[in-house]
Amino acid sequence: DTAVSQTPKYLVTQMGNDKSIKCEQNLGHDTMYWYKQDSKKFLKIMFSYNNKELIINETVPNRFSPKSPDKAHLNLHINSLELGDSAVYFCASSPPSPQTVNQETQYFGPGTRLLVL
Amino acid sequence: ILNVEQSPQSLHVQEGDSTNFTCSFPSSNFYALHWYRWETAKSPEALFVMTLNGDEKKKGRISATLNTKEGYSYLYIKGSQPEDSATYLCASTGNQFYFGTGTSLTVIP
Repeated sequence: DTAVSQTPKYLVTQMGNDKSIKCEQNLGHDTMYWYKQDSKKFLKIMFSYNNKELIINETVPNRFSPKSPDKAHLNLHINSLELGDSAVYFCASSPPSPQTVNQETQYFGPGTRLLVL
Repeated sequence: ILNVEQSPQSLHVQEGDSTNFTCSFPSSNFYALHWYRWETAKSPEALFVMTLNGDEKKKGRISATLNTKEGYSYLYIKGSQPEDSATYLCASTGNQFYFGTGTSLTVIP
């Protein structure tokens, strides 16, 4: 059973299009995240949701909008795709934490490789 | 932004050699230090999480130590095997979760 799954695995699209990446976790975790792996292979956090509420929103363009219909899902919608959006996007989840910022181990999905042409 | 740095950036060792690498982080506002193992074309896999100064964790041939006062953690691999080849990421959590850029380890058979 896949703990954290992402779809699609690969996404090739034209500049200007709108696309969504889906993430689902079956671990019963409360907190979910989206990361972008940049050209230098560096993982940068984009968003974090705890129990469907946004708790971390790093400086990302407004074209990126996360949506959490329930605790098990955190989808990433991207409007007006640009060339610079090409990257690998990772979803992750972590169990509940007593701290305001979740310090627990994160479990990562397999990544979605986005290529904008 | 929390500056988490890892060194060296890459490392090649012979099978059977032991090796270690470093993760350094600001010691102020520290909550936890995480180590992940990341194989090419896969997702990062958690190895250890440490919170207390002096913590030591071990998993098979891999172990880690933590010094929160001076802001560093070491990861050790004893008797490296080709299957240990991967990128090893550390992440420090202060107000948020910040990853280092990783140490890429290649074990030569």
